[in-house]
Amino acid sequence: QVQLVQSGAEVKKPGASVRVSCKVSGYSLSELSIQWVRQAPGKGLEWMGGFDPDNREMIDAQKFQGRVTMTEDTTTDTAYMEMSSLRFEDTAVYYCAKALFRGGFDAFDIWGQGTLVTVSS
Amino acid sequence: SYELTQPPSVSVSPGQTANITCSGDGLGGKYVCWYQQRPGQSPLLLIYQDNRRPSEIPERFSGSNSGNTATLTISGTLAMDDADYYCQAWNVFGTGTKVTVL
Repeated sequence: QVQLVQSGAEVKKPGASVRVSCKVSGYSLSELSIQWVRQAPGKGLEWMGGFDPDNREMIDAQKFQGRVTMTEDTTTDTAYMEMSSLRFEDTAVYYCAKALFRGGFDAFDIWGQGTLVTVSS
Repeated sequence: SYELTQPPSVSVSPGQTANITCSGDGLGGKYVCWYQQRPGQSPLLLIYQDNRRPSEIPERFSGSNSGNTATLTISGTLAMDDADYYCQAWNVFGTGTKVTVL
């Protein structure tokens, strides 16, 4: 059974960077499509991006281009999402999620518990 | 950019049927999935590929997709179905619907 366990909550100042980790257990990360989704307080879900395991290419939403980097360490089966130049509006719960189908960017059947990132001065 | 629109809220009495719609241009030509999210919890996949259910999801949840609208149907609604519901097509999420079981 695949499980995703994320790192703990973070408080950051505007302009800083944050890195959230997502540890995979029960399967090899290199065989999975891990995606990142965020949810601002009281708001809906927003896809951020993720890896296509077939070509090892990171695909991210246009609005995050240049600010978000997603990486994977297959030796430790851990995925990372790093966001730079944080803004107040980046305050949100950040989730990693596994796509049901390899190479897919939807139908997320396994989710991490979420990591709250608070941007505050 | 592609958008998926859901009604902000739906109310239903226990035991009755709730229909939650998700609208988008040409949505019938895409695969749609649905999630349930209770307060403080991670989303739960209810339906994928329009109408397929993961094994652990009760049969009272069903889905359909045609034209520009996909629909999640909850039959025999229970109090525990009180939650937020989101549709998704490829990498786009719907706006979300709050289902209230009265």
